[in-house]
Amino acid sequence: NAGVTQTPKFRVLKTGQSMTLLCAQDMNHEYMYWYRQDPGMGLRLIHYSVGEGTTAKGEVPDGYNVSRLKKQNFLLGLESAAPSQTSVYFCASSYRGTGADGYTFGSGTRLTVV
Amino acid sequence: DQQVKQNSPSLSVQEGRISILNCDYTNSMFDYFLWYKKYPAEGPTFLISISSIKDKNEDGRFTVFLNKSAKHLSLHIVPSQPGDSAVYFCAASGVLYARQLTFGSGTQLTVLP
Repeated sequence: NAGVTQTPKFRVLKTGQSMTLLCAQDMNHEYMYWYRQDPGMGLRLIHYSVGEGTTAKGEVPDGYNVSRLKKQNFLLGLESAAPSQTSVYFCASSYRGTGADGYTFGSGTRLTVV
Repeated sequence: DQQVKQNSPSLSVQEGRISILNCDYTNSMFDYFLWYKKYPAEGPTFLISISSIKDKNEDGRFTVFLNKSAKHLSLHIVPSQPGDSAVYFCAASGVLYARQLTFGSGTQLTVLP
């Protein structure tokens, strides 16, 4: 049971480059989320999805795009990376999206933009 | 403006003693609170939660207390063990916010042997 898998685990980008972070879950969860973690800031929600084909903005969506073409996958894209996007990115999923059932997180992607 | 605050970035406790981690929130519309634990190079894992209709929830060595009037919750770990050393995040959710979790900034707990 893999749970939530994120790829890649590490990446270094140059300013202006683009990349896509992949999140895959095998728990048949409806809800999926992308967070970023920065020192002293906790985890902040970037985008989320309440089901296949849906996406919505979170607290810090600027500079990111997402897609949920398949229920098990949630992709986070950076069109033109900036140093301010240096962070650790976590994907999560949940069954009911109520908050009460807890989220299952991936192990994170550490992204550095130089 | 952070709606969920963990004002202590770090806490050190002796093995076997009690660890108390604190969390404050500002939004009275939050009605569900959770604690997550995070080890280095891993994602956060769900630890324990509490609904706003309760003031206490226990799970083994972990107890969460909620004081709604003070908008304060705390996580008690008794007895503390070296394996409990991790970053602990407090999180809150509310139906008016599509049940998305709002996280605090975390507290690094170190349990000393």
